[in-house]
Amino acid sequence: DGGITQSPKYLFRKEGQNVTLSCEQNLNHDAMYWYRQDPGQGLRLIYYSQIVNDFQKGDIAEGYSVSREKKESFPLTVTSAQKNPTAFYLCASRISSSAAYNEQFFGPGTRLTVL
Amino acid sequence: KQEVTQIPAALSVPEGENLVLNCSFTDSAIYNLQWFRQDPGKGLTSLLLIQSSQREQTSGRLNASLDKSSGRSTLYIAASQPGDSATYLCAVSHYDNYGQNFVFGPGTRLSVLP
Repeated sequence: DGGITQSPKYLFRKEGQNVTLSCEQNLNHDAMYWYRQDPGQGLRLIYYSQIVNDFQKGDIAEGYSVSREKKESFPLTVTSAQKNPTAFYLCASRISSSAAYNEQFFGPGTRLTVL
Repeated sequence: KQEVTQIPAALSVPEGENLVLNCSFTDSAIYNLQWFRQDPGKGLTSLLLIQSSQREQTSGRLNASLDKSSGRSTLYIAASQPGDSATYLCAVSHYDNYGQNFVFGPGTRLSVLP
């Protein structure tokens, strides 16, 4: 089955901890994205990557970090510098960031709660 | 900066009704517009993608239209069913200095009552 997987489904973080959210895709897509969703709001872009070993900050990158060492993997680390990390995190991918007419596909999401 | 709005924020209809969801965007320089469905606690499922050169796309009971010049898109759902209950989000694509990404609207929460 081709698709995007995210783990864990639920994650709890204590104050001051860094946590890493996993995103893996077997669609052979070049572009990958991380979004944050807060209740009643649309998605906001955290980071995105067009290609391996390259990524760009989105609108709300402060307190987050990413890596793209492999084409199929784009993990997101929520650092202790992120003051309000409780949210639903969604990973997505597209064939290519430069292709104008390709749709985004999404993973099932990770719900992060700060204790 | 591109902004996307969706009206109404919530909608409740009896089963069998036809309905229209609206999406508006402020910058008409988009490459495509995508409609998604999101069930509670789940990821987004792509419904329809309309390229900037197209006026509409259809899939089953769904029809999406795009008017770039006026910055509007509508999603028409025919003969609604309780299983259509979900939040519907629209997203427009644009290029920045790095590549293409999407700006999302806040969504319309739809309830179809049996």
